[in-house]
Amino acid sequence: DVQLVESGGGLVTPGGSLRLSCAASGFIFSDYSMNWVRQAPGKGLEWVSSISSSSTYIYYADSVKGRFIISRDNAKNSVYLQMNSLRAEDTAVYYCTRGADGYTKFDCWGQGTLVTVSS
Amino acid sequence: DIVMTQTPLSSPVILGQPASISCRSSQSLVHSDGNTYLSWLQQRPGQPPRLLIYKISNRFSGVPDRFSGSGAGTDFTLKISRVEGEDVGVYYCMQATQFPFTFGPGTKVDIK
Repeated sequence: DVQLVESGGGLVTPGGSLRLSCAASGFIFSDYSMNWVRQAPGKGLEWVSSISSSSTYIYYADSVKGRFIISRDNAKNSVYLQMNSLRAEDTAVYYCTRGADGYTKFDCWGQGTLVTVSS
Repeated sequence: DIVMTQTPLSSPVILGQPASISCRSSQSLVHSDGNTYLSWLQQRPGQPPRLLIYKISNRFSGVPDRFSGSGAGTDFTLKISRVEGEDVGVYYCMQATQFPFTFGPGTKVDIK
């Protein structure tokens, strides 16, 4: 079965850093782009970042550009999100998603990991 | 950025009756490759989102055929032919034609 499992969330103070991980299984990881999408408590979905299968192309939402870094390790079937200079408005559940058909089809989602930014 | 809007934002429905959700984009979602990357996702309470429909009208694997998508350009529709209890949740349209990818605000479907 295709599976994505996020980890690394938690409570962090404003200005702090956190690194999220997403472990993939059940498919050829290196064939797919990967994405992070977040959802603030009680709110809708917000795309955060995408990375191509070989890490050649990387995209960020303006709200996180310059603060977050997406990366992947195809040997470890994992994608990461390094989050720096965290703000209260970054508080959200962060979902890892697989991007099929290039980036365009978010066909598999993890259960999410909660990041809370608070003093 | 492409802005996605949805109507209605809330839809109480009767079990067994149809439901329809509209999604509009602020600009055409036709990609230079000729495809239109408009998807519909379902988020049941307490669950992560799940892909229902991609490229306007293609049902994803395992999605019941009571779900259908249609539209073109900037106007799209998700229809549920006969609502079942498991369909309760929030439905989002999403465009992946152009970065940044954007989602609609969501439509909450519950049972009347």
